[in-house]
Amino acid sequence: DGGITQSPKYLFRKEGQNVTLSCEQNLNHDAMYWYRQDPGQGLRLIYYSQIVNDFQKGDIAEGYSVSREKKESFPLTVTSAQKNPTAFYLCASSTLAGVEQYFGPGTRLTVT
Amino acid sequence: DQQVKQNSPSLSVQEGRISILNCDYTNSMFDYFLWYKKYPAEGPTFLISISSIKDKNEDGRFTVFLNKSAKHLSLHIVPSQPGDSAVYFCAASENRDDKIIFGKGTRLHILP
Repeated sequence: DGGITQSPKYLFRKEGQNVTLSCEQNLNHDAMYWYRQDPGQGLRLIYYSQIVNDFQKGDIAEGYSVSREKKESFPLTVTSAQKNPTAFYLCASSTLAGVEQYFGPGTRLTVT
Repeated sequence: DQQVKQNSPSLSVQEGRISILNCDYTNSMFDYFLWYKKYPAEGPTFLISISSIKDKNEDGRFTVFLNKSAKHLSLHIVPSQPGDSAVYFCAASENRDDKIIFGKGTRLHILP
């Protein structure tokens, strides 16, 4: 079954700790994305990557970091510099030519 | 400044009737528009799209209408079913670029 997996579904961390969210896809998509969703907000782009070993900042990249060492994987690290890290995080992928993005199930991060 | 606006946070429609979700945009360079459907705690799923060279696209119960002069698009669901209760996101992109701008979403409730 092709798709995107994100783990874990729920994640709890203490303030001041870095945390890494996993995103894996087996759709052979070149492009991958990280979004954040807050209550009453749309999806906001954090980072995206169109090719291995390359990525670009989205609209709200501050306090986050990513890596793209493999085509299938695009982990997101929420650093202690992120002022409001509690949110629902969504990973997505697409072909380079395609605009439709396929989303993972999401990870709800709670930082206390 | 929001480039994609969904001004109705929620909408309630009787089962069997037509649901109409509206979306406005401000960027005249947008040329591809998408609708996503999202259930709680899940990733959004792609529903339907339309290119700016068309004014209507239909897929089963779902039809998207685009009015370029008014910078307005709408999603019609006919007939509405209980499983349609979800949050619907309008999204747009420029020149099939890989960055998609999302609206804040409209929560649709289908009433029995």
